[in-house]
Amino acid sequence: AQTVTQSQPEMSVQEAETVTLSCTYDTSENNYYLFWYKQPPSRQMILVIRQEAYKQQNATENRFSVNFQKAAKSFSLKISDSQLGDTAMYFCAFMTENTGNQFYFGTGTSLTVIP
Amino acid sequence: DVKVTQSSRYLVKRTGEKVFLECVQDMDHENMFWYRQDPGLGLRLIYFSYDVKMKEKGDIPEGYSVSREKKERFSLILESASTNQTSMYLCASSSPGTSGSYEQYFGPGTRLTVT
Repeated sequence: AQTVTQSQPEMSVQEAETVTLSCTYDTSENNYYLFWYKQPPSRQMILVIRQEAYKQQNATENRFSVNFQKAAKSFSLKISDSQLGDTAMYFCAFMTENTGNQFYFGTGTSLTVIP
Repeated sequence: DVKVTQSSRYLVKRTGEKVFLECVQDMDHENMFWYRQDPGLGLRLIYFSYDVKMKEKGDIPEGYSVSREKKERFSLILESASTNQTSMYLCASSSPGTSGSYEQYFGPGTRLTVT
């Protein structure tokens, strides 16, 4: 079974500072995909960043980057220069083709950016 | 841009009623998914579909059924609504495509209250 764990239910960060959200997962698969999704208050869930397990290089998207540690089964999200618009629920997700493109989500981390 | 729409943002139903939640996507995606989102539990998969008239049970299918008569439309049915089905329901679609991104695109959600 695939499981995804986000151990930080709530976090806060000062505007312009850096914050790291943690995610660990458990799988016996070797080829899989990892995602971070963002759900702003009362708004649609959108993809922030994705990582293919076969790629050693950590993915980056502007102020968002990941620290992917395959051996440790860890996939943390770093947000640099935090902005008020980053306030949202963040979900880590895991997918493998062997389970039919099904996503497994963590329980989420509620991030508040403080002005 | 991919667009996933859901028939209602807010819905209030009575216990025992039959409830239909509709989801439509406009990008010819093969895969469609229904999740429920509850605080502290993250997103849990109810049902998903690979193709027209195909359906697969997710993690929590009890009390729900689905219908996919056309590729763009995926309906979630609560046969006899109960108060423990009060939740936020999210629809998503995806297609591996040539890029193999597997990203899921989400609708805005339907907040269902069963009284």
